[in-house]
Amino acid sequence: DTGVSQDPRHKITKRGQNVTFRCDPISEHNRLYWYRQTLGQGPEFLTYFQNEAQLEKSRLLSDRFSAERPKGSFSTLEIQRTEQGDSAMYLCASSLDLSPSNYGYTFGSGTRLTVV
Amino acid sequence: TQLLEQSPQFLSIQEGENLTVYCNSSSVFSSLQWYRQEPGEGPVLLVTVVTGGEVKKLKRLTFQFGDARKDSSLHITAAQPGDTGLYLCAGAPGNTGKLIFGQGTTLQVKP
Repeated sequence: DTGVSQDPRHKITKRGQNVTFRCDPISEHNRLYWYRQTLGQGPEFLTYFQNEAQLEKSRLLSDRFSAERPKGSFSTLEIQRTEQGDSAMYLCASSLDLSPSNYGYTFGSGTRLTVV
Repeated sequence: TQLLEQSPQFLSIQEGENLTVYCNSSSVFSSLQWYRQEPGEGPVLLVTVVTGGEVKKLKRLTFQFGDARKDSSLHITAAQPGDTGLYLCAGAPGNTGKLIFGQGTTLQVKP
């Protein structure tokens, strides 16, 4: 296993277009998280899954955002009708569901989204 | 809302100097974690502190968890240019396993 993979690494899109990002977690990790990060700031929680169930969504996640993890493996994050304020690094992380607050997350390298 | 506040937000020092980064909250956390992030990459876990008053060492890095489990510090001895990066503290409110992060401390170590 090579860790958490995110695709694409970079995405430039025009305002109003839809974009979709993919995350492949570490195979034995049940939990998968999405975060958004702007330059020089800490990651902000967006949503997380345990297996295929989406357990929590942040208020930051507007109706334009949707995330899925259909078979409890990879996950996708879709942003519809992108706005310039959506420009950020989107980070995916995974963890075991055994006290992840003690064992920590493994993050992917992120997808850098630029909306022009 | 359980917030984690880090200070300072930005630190620029010369190679060989010592530094301390602080992470504070008004809430109690069962554990706190420290991550380091390089530009264009995701954060990488450095350490988890669990017990109030705990001190952990990782080479030149010393991590401490406050007795009341509301704060933590990261001390770097004899900083090197390779220590440059964004340092993040994180904790999980309640038992959800969802981490919240501080705003980060950007460290620049000049040769």
